[in-house]
Amino acid sequence: AQSVTQPDIHITVSEGASLELRCNYSYGATPYLFWYVQSPGQGLQLLLKYFSGDTLVQGIKGFEAEFKRSQSSFNLRKPSVHWSDAAEYFCAVGEPDDYKLSFGAGTTVTVRA
Amino acid sequence: DTAVSQTPKYLVTQMGNDKSIKCEQNLGHDTMYWYKQDSKKFLKIMFSYNNKELIINETVPNRFSPKSPDKAHLNLHINSLELGDSAVYFCASSQGTEQFFGPGTRLTVL
Repeated sequence: AQSVTQPDIHITVSEGASLELRCNYSYGATPYLFWYVQSPGQGLQLLLKYFSGDTLVQGIKGFEAEFKRSQSSFNLRKPSVHWSDAAEYFCAVGEPDDYKLSFGAGTTVTVRA
Repeated sequence: DTAVSQTPKYLVTQMGNDKSIKCEQNLGHDTMYWYKQDSKKFLKIMFSYNNKELIINETVPNRFSPKSPDKAHLNLHINSLELGDSAVYFCASSQGTEQFFGPGTRLTVL
């Protein structure tokens, strides 16, 4: 079974600074990988996804993520954060032909002025 | 034009009561899900239906019973509510692997 680890529980970053959120997965083959964002009191919104092909994927809101098979990682990055990026970020992994997603524990991002 | 909607948004009730949460999606998806998010924000899948058929049933107390009257709806009924049922419950739908989430229902059991 697959599992997801997000090593950072909480990250504080200054507005305008860069952001990187870590995600490591455990799965035998190449999984489907996702990053979701949850703003306070809201549901989850998909930022980006990786199924195959180019290992650097672009998402919404200026986010990108890079799949590194050798490190079993799918880290999320943004070059310059905005105050509105303060939220909970979840990495998730799914298997081809399977309906189930496994989520990491989430990383809380705080943006300071 | 809400894609996945849930009602109610908030639900406060006493221990031992029975309550239902409703979910509707207008995306034409075949598969719908219920997730539970606990106080530490950990998300765990509970159930999934595909074309009204149950396909995922994780280790959930049988006090929880999902019902899918049609492809667009997946309701969650909870009997004999307990304090530990307090959480945010998310409905989601998918056509393939990408899942679209509803806004959540915050259930508080007193």
